[in-house]
Amino acid sequence: EPEVTQTPSHQVTQMGQEVILRCVPISNHLYFYWYRQILGQKVEFLVSFYNNEISEKSEIFDDQFSVERPDGSNFTLKIRSTKLEDSAMYFCASSEGTGGPNTDTQYFGPGTRLTVL
Amino acid sequence: GENVEQHPSTLSVQEGDSAVIKCTYSDSASNYFPWYKQELGKRPQLIIDIRSNVGEKKDQRIAVTLNKTAKHFSLHITETQPEDSAVYFCAAHRFGNEKLTFGTGTRLTIIP
Repeated sequence: EPEVTQTPSHQVTQMGQEVILRCVPISNHLYFYWYRQILGQKVEFLVSFYNNEISEKSEIFDDQFSVERPDGSNFTLKIRSTKLEDSAMYFCASSEGTGGPNTDTQYFGPGTRLTVL
Repeated sequence: GENVEQHPSTLSVQEGDSAVIKCTYSDSASNYFPWYKQELGKRPQLIIDIRSNVGEKKDQRIAVTLNKTAKHFSLHITETQPEDSAVYFCAAHRFGNEKLTFGTGTRLTIIP
């Protein structure tokens, strides 16, 4: 069964550094998402992406964050200047978006644990 | 925006007994309600979902009920097993492929 994949599984960085988290959504899916989960807390929405543009973003997704689909398979989240409070698990997700019976079911990747020192 | 409340935050159940987790949502336009199971350090895994045109859905030992009038939905796990131990999250969204708003999670522990 196709799955969302993410790399790296764990990223350690110094405060102020830029990081890029990578995701490969399920191949025929049209909607892509980033969520984050601070340790022990709930999953929080960051941004959704469709047709090569952001379709929705949360208050968390400020100017320090950006997303990109650089090619036909990858979807990336960039944090320009990391802060201590950016330490969290970042999950990528994707959904079909084709109007079928499971069109809006979101499938999550394994996550990238970001640690900012 | 949408707000999803989830109770209880922790639940311990004897193996073989049933477990019930409840969620309420605030936006009456929400129409899709998935439940995710998350084991320690792993991805949220979809276990069952329900749409607003249905009142109940069952898949083997797992069932979900939806009360649109009261704006709440519940997860029921029967004949619980040790491998059911995990954190369970409910979620909601309004339509299309919008963001999911998650509840705060329930840590379910099955006591052998």
